[in-house]
Amino acid sequence: GAVVSQHPSRVICKSGTSVKIECRSLDFQATTMFWYRQFPKKSLMLMATSNEGSKATYEQGVEKDKFLINHASLTLSTLTVTSAHPEDSSFYICSAYSVYSNQPQHFGDGTRLSIL
Amino acid sequence: GQQLNQSPQSMFIQEGEDVSMNCTSSSIFNTWLWYKQDPGEGPVLLIALYKAGELTSNGRLTAQFGITRKDSFLNISASIPSDVGIYFCAGGYGGATNKLIFGTGTLLAVQP
Repeated sequence: GAVVSQHPSRVICKSGTSVKIECRSLDFQATTMFWYRQFPKKSLMLMATSNEGSKATYEQGVEKDKFLINHASLTLSTLTVTSAHPEDSSFYICSAYSVYSNQPQHFGDGTRLSIL
Repeated sequence: GQQLNQSPQSMFIQEGEDVSMNCTSSSIFNTWLWYKQDPGEGPVLLIALYKAGELTSNGRLTAQFGITRKDSFLNISASIPSDVGIYFCAGGYGGATNKLIFGTGTLLAVQP
């Protein structure tokens, strides 16, 4: 089955640092990648939709200058949390989808971000 | 952000019991998906439904896409301890990007 790899799985850093999270589709070309945020014991909230080669579409309330998304190839999307603060601590999950397949979104294993 | 209403919020059952959970929405969806999430991991797809009225099984799991396209249910028969986790429904609009809206989740605990 389709595999989505997310890296790193866990990161702890100081307030003010920028953190980059990578999402790779390993065995298919993802025309669209999605970034979600999940707070403890809560559901997944869609942050943005990213199509290869174009600007990401952000959901209402998500700061695009805070959460920079790049989808430069059909197998890689990155989420950069800029100047991270403790309130940005969360579980970030990506998913990948191909318009050429009939498969639903496939999810990565998430990144636990902790800002001290 | 938009979320689907999922119930129950949590269930604590004995091994061997059957489980039922459902999702309702005020919007119409073109697809309904059910995922399971273990702690510290991403969601894993259990069942995908693509047509109103569709009833699909995956082992001990059965899910249905409601006729109105605004609801779906998931049943788990003869639960086992490894069924423990959080179950999420997700409604999809299909199309080129296939954006999903997730339910609020059902925490399932199974007592051996």
